Amino acid sequence: ELKVEQNPLFLSMQEGKNYTIYCNYSTTSDRLYWYRQDPGKSLESLFVLLSNGAVKQEGRLMASLDTKARLSTLHITAAVHDLSATYFCAVDNRGSNYKLTFGKGTLLTVNP
Amino acid sequence: DAGITQSPRHKVTETGTPVTLRCHQTENHRYMYWYRQDPGHGLRLIHYSYGVKDTDKGEVSDGYSVSRSKTEDFLLTLESATSSQTSVYFCAISESDRVRHEQYFGPGTRLTVT
Repeated sequence: ELKVEQNPLFLSMQEGKNYTIYCNYSTTSDRLYWYRQDPGKSLESLFVLLSNGAVKQEGRLMASLDTKARLSTLHITAAVHDLSATYFCAVDNRGSNYKLTFGKGTLLTVNP
Repeated sequence: DAGITQSPRHKVTETGTPVTLRCHQTENHRYMYWYRQDPGHGLRLIHYSYGVKDTDKGEVSDGYSVSRSKTEDFLLTLESATSSQTSVYFCAISESDRVRHEQYFGPGTRLTVT
């Protein structure tokens, strides 16, 4: 059974600081997704990582995937208040009609 | 934005009553999924569909059934609602692209069972 662990689950940052969210998963997969969710809203796709060593960047967020370590990271550079949200990673269950297993999410709060 | 709607958006119902939630897509995507979101649990898959009349269970399927009689609609039924089914329910759709297979989410339905 695929398990996905995110840490930290809660992250309070100051504006301008850098930090990393980690996503570990338990079985082989080479497709990983990051989503953002604002309070009371739906999930918005941020990144799709499809192979070992994949790196994607959008603004102050950068995601990477190491399939050998079964680890993905979401790095936040020079945080701003608008990045406050909950971030989820999700891992594809290989050969399973593309089902995703989600981590529990990281609630990020960026303080002035 | 992917064309996904969910109805109703909010519902309050009593324990023991049946409830049906609807997910409608205009993208003609093959795959559709129902999730529930609860504090501390992230999103958990209830049921999914990989084509018309083709459905299968997810990790938390007990007490739920689904139907998909046409590509655009995926219905989730709570056969006899219980308080433990109070949750936010999200529908997702996925393109048939075998490479990315990204899931796009609907706006959600907030269900309260009293």
